[in-house]
Amino acid sequence: DAGVIQSPRHEVTEMGQEVTLRCKPISGHDYLFWYRQTMMRGLELLIYFNNNVPIDDSGMPEDRFSAKMPNASFSTLKIQPSEPRDSAVYFCASSPRTGVRGHTGELFFGEGSRLTVL
Amino acid sequence: AQKVTQAQTEISVVEKEDVTLDCVYETRDTTYYLFWYKQPPSGELVFLIRRNSFDEQNEISGRYSWNFQKSTSSFNFTITASQVVDSAVYFCALSEAPYNNAGNMLTFGGGTRLMVKP
Repeated sequence: DAGVIQSPRHEVTEMGQEVTLRCKPISGHDYLFWYRQTMMRGLELLIYFNNNVPIDDSGMPEDRFSAKMPNASFSTLKIQPSEPRDSAVYFCASSPRTGVRGHTGELFFGEGSRLTVL
Repeated sequence: AQKVTQAQTEISVVEKEDVTLDCVYETRDTTYYLFWYKQPPSGELVFLIRRNSFDEQNEISGRYSWNFQKSTSSFNFTITASQVVDSAVYFCALSEAPYNNAGNMLTFGGGTRLMVKP
């Protein structure tokens, strides 16, 4: 089975440019999460969706960040305009609805998108 | 508010030594779940184990074992006879009341970097 797929794996851009990160969750999973990993702040939850609807975006750092989930198989995280402090690894994760038989409660992570803003 | 603390930022051992990674958590919920994830040098996050707050039985899986103690709010991870391939960053994480359809929002600790030298 295919896992969570993220693209691009690496992105280098200049300050002020728009960045779009993409995620394809595991088919059938109801929840999708965007996390950011930096040396200073570790792993932080940015936003999560349930059935394509944003539930909690309190972790989104500022208005420059936006996330969408137009359908069950695709989500984007956009940064516009990007700044050097946005440099990080961005992880997408998905999970089935909790309580589903056999589900042990873990999140399934993609391989991450490493963003460098110069 | 929930919090996970991994006091050991970095541990270095020689192959075949046993090593314990500490995890202390804070939560107001009586129902919660604890997780350990491994992040090898390749960068992905790999699920290792989940424990619910009602089950304090220790668990062993091969060279890995976990000690959950509610009295001290700790969920420690021991690797027996460590190997070079165990070198990675290990994250402890907490999810509160995931069975209320709120999704498995994980709060991660800062991680412990384990280096196993040959």
